[in-house]
Amino acid sequence: SSELTQDPAVSVALGQTVRITCQGDSLRSYYASWYQQKPGQAPVLVIYGKNNRPSGIPDRFSGSSSGNTASLTITGAQAEDEADYYCNSRDSSGNHHAVFGGGTQLTVL
Amino acid sequence: QVQLQQWGAGLLKPSETLSLTCAVYGGSFSGYYWSWIRQPPGKGLEWIGEINHSGSTNYNPSLKSRVTISVDTSKNQFSLKLSSVTAADTAVYYCASGRVFGKNYYYYYMDVWGKGTTVTVSS
Repeated sequence: SSELTQDPAVSVALGQTVRITCQGDSLRSYYASWYQQKPGQAPVLVIYGKNNRPSGIPDRFSGSSSGNTASLTITGAQAEDEADYYCNSRDSSGNHHAVFGGGTQLTVL
Repeated sequence: QVQLQQWGAGLLKPSETLSLTCAVYGGSFSGYYWSWIRQPPGKGLEWIGEINHSGSTNYNPSLKSRVTISVDTSKNQFSLKLSSVTAADTAVYYCASGRVFGKNYYYYYMDVWGKGTTVTVSS
């Protein structure tokens, strides 16, 4: 299966920790990558691989994986973290195509 | 650091062919999967397809019959064509650079994105 499932919306109090999850069979073979998208902007890669952050991404963003579930954790959420977050992987059945989760809208209260 | 610059027609009529191009600056053209992604208004991201430097392509099965992605290595550019467009193809279209590697467990990510091109299909 190539589907990735995310919760549509999550909220977190300013300064608290939030976990955004992504489920899918392909995550047993591929690390998820995570993208942050703010209104009117292109997505930005925030986590890839086992737990890698591109240059410029704050260390409050981290990633983890277990079985068919990948998680993006923001430790000490800031107002500027309010955005949509998408997970991404590739189909693991040999079809060589990629798929995105439906996205999670994060609200920082 | 790779940078992507994309362009193409922003207003199409139903049944026309969407055509977008993405130029790659500042990095190697090989070793990547050059990708197209779209986002309809108010909706999530949808992967359209990809091509590598040697011209090998992979397409979203739901769009495969209408999509062609090509590459011009002499110009470090890759292009998207989507035929027989309808209003459902109205979206922001992004190009991106994808990486795939690994052995027992694989890495896949798109680390550089273009700014996006808004394409509207309307009669």
